[in-house]
Amino acid sequence: NAGVTQTPKFRVLKTGQSMTLLCAQDMNHEYMYWYRQDPGMGLRLIHYSVGEGTTAKGEVPDGYNVSRLKKQNFLLGLESAAPSQTSVYFCASSDRDRGSYTFGSGTRLTVV
Amino acid sequence: GQQLNQSPQSMFIQEGEDVSMNCTSSSIFNTWLWYKQDPGEGPVLLIALYKAGELTSNGRLTAQFGITRKDSFLNISASIPSDVGIYFCAGQLGLGAQKLVFGQGTRLTINP
Repeated sequence: NAGVTQTPKFRVLKTGQSMTLLCAQDMNHEYMYWYRQDPGMGLRLIHYSVGEGTTAKGEVPDGYNVSRLKKQNFLLGLESAAPSQTSVYFCASSDRDRGSYTFGSGTRLTVV
Repeated sequence: GQQLNQSPQSMFIQEGEDVSMNCTSSSIFNTWLWYKQDPGEGPVLLIALYKAGELTSNGRLTAQFGITRKDSFLNISASIPSDVGIYFCAGQLGLGAQKLVFGQGTRLTINP
């Protein structure tokens, strides 16, 4: 029972490089989310999806893009990484009937 | 946007002591959730509260949904070393995506 799986776990990027973070869930959840966690800032919502083929902006969407081509996968892209995007990124999912989220174990991204 | 004020931001206690932390909001929530995050991992759900006034226990953990629906507290009794981590409260206005708002976390450190 994997739950929510994020890859990679760690990554170092140079400023201007691009990358994609992958999130996969095996719980058949409708909703998926990407958060970033920074010291003293708690968890901030970047983008979310209410179903396959749909995405929406969260609290801090600038500099990120997302896609949900399959129900079980939610991709977070950085087209041109900036040092301000150094953070720990968490993916989460939830179903329509229960409010609690299941989180992945995170991706630690450093942009130099 | 909505914010949750979580306090204290950090706690340093001796093993065996009881712990209390709380969250307050200017908004009314329909659900309160408490998560724990271990180092290097994603948040894991501890307790979910769905009714105003509800008091729920999970082992040594007890949480309550405030009568005004604007606050919640979490108590940990007889702390042990594995209780170390960051505790997050989260409030939800209703079922559905984007509605979960997180507190900034309480970092718990335990001296053996």
